Amino acid sequence: SQTIHQWPATLVQPVGSPLSLECTVEGTSNPNLYWYRQAAGRGLQLLFYSVGIGQISSEVPQNLSASRPQDRQFILSSKKLLLSDSGFYLCAWKGSIGAYNSPLHFGNGTRLTVT
Amino acid sequence: DAKTTQPNSMESNEEEPVHLPCNHSTISGTDYIHWYRQLPSQGPEYVIHGLTSNVNNRMASLAIAEDRKSSTLILHRATLRDAAVYYCIPGTSYGKLTFGQGTILTVHP
Repeated sequence: SQTIHQWPATLVQPVGSPLSLECTVEGTSNPNLYWYRQAAGRGLQLLFYSVGIGQISSEVPQNLSASRPQDRQFILSSKKLLLSDSGFYLCAWKGSIGAYNSPLHFGNGTRLTVT
Repeated sequence: DAKTTQPNSMESNEEEPVHLPCNHSTISGTDYIHWYRQLPSQGPEYVIHGLTSNVNNRMASLAIAEDRKSSTLILHRATLRDAAVYYCIPGTSYGKLTFGQGTILTVHP
């Protein structure tokens, strides 16, 4: 069966420090991968998505970047964190075959607090 | 992207059916309607999706209006574990799903 791993679960980082959040998927090949962010009390915002290795689409200009160095690995990074980067970061995947209507599967998320 | 309108909140009693409405009047003819729910401090969980016909699974039923401008998620017997934020989302290319504010469902014992 397919599983998605996301770590760490919680993270407290000072302003100006770098960030690296990792997400890996097991049990499937060539998944579509997504990074979402949820600010406190608000809906989810799509940040990045990828349909293949090295392919990244950015939805919102911001202080973050994403990379997909391997088929089932998706990394969210920042060189210098801002206070506004605080939030709940969620990685998700869906099968590439029939991607139009196959469901999204989310990880358990990383709660990032920038101080 | 199609816009959706959902009530901010709804309440139900345990063991009673719950009908969660969603308006998506600008949905395109090929967009599926997806429903997810999110429990506190967790990632969203897929509930159900459909295109034109009503759909059923072990979690819920989805009733889609004939003109596809609205749909209703039906929980047949609400439990306390069904208390969550429910999102109605039209699907788009590459599976990009845009989450709105959703409906906060409160279930009373």
